Amino acid sequence: EAGVTQSPTHLIKTRGQQATLRCSPISGHTSVYWYQQALGLGLQFLLWYDEGEERNRGNFPPRFSGRQFPNYSSELNVNALELEDSALYLCASSLLGTGETQYFGPGTRLLVL
Amino acid sequence: GENVEQHPSTLSVQEGDSAVIKCTYSDSASNYFPWYKQELGKGPQLIIDIRSNVGEKKDQRIAVTLNKTAKHFSLHITETQPEDSAVYFCAASRSSGNTGKLIFGQGTTLQVKP
Repeated sequence: EAGVTQSPTHLIKTRGQQATLRCSPISGHTSVYWYQQALGLGLQFLLWYDEGEERNRGNFPPRFSGRQFPNYSSELNVNALELEDSALYLCASSLLGTGETQYFGPGTRLLVL
Repeated sequence: GENVEQHPSTLSVQEGDSAVIKCTYSDSASNYFPWYKQELGKGPQLIIDIRSNVGEKKDQRIAVTLNKTAKHFSLHITETQPEDSAVYFCAASRSSGNTGKLIFGQGTTLQVKP
């Protein structure tokens, strides 16, 4: 069974640009979660999508947004990039939201120059 | 607010010794506690999890214990091997309130010396 996949593996952008990160969940999983892992800050919850709807978001500004497609894949968009957005962005998926086991992908390393 | 404290931040043991990592959570409604192992350049991998209706769970060399009253849970690794070296994260979540999110501890870097 294929795990969670993410693309690209690495992304380099400059301040003010936009970044788009993509995630494909494990087959059969309907929930997708996004987390930010910045150096020294651990994993911070960003967004949760289930059945195409945004169900919850973490304490991040509105320039962090995303969507979930009918095939349950998801993309994370970060607008007006700032230097502190440099981080590893992790996607996870689960069968259902809320209390179900989340399985993580390998992440996308975003570097903002 | 919701918070998970994890200790120690670094842990060095000799191969064959045991390793214990401890976490404390603040949200009394938390009822699901997974542990993840993250190797360099990879995403977190689930190694074991426990729900609040169970006090202890074991899977080969790995065990997790939960004390709901004290809001503590711990990871125990016995007979450590060099391949156990990684960063370990504890996390907590609640099924009520439909938050979906995991609250992570800050991580423990485990080094197993051969």
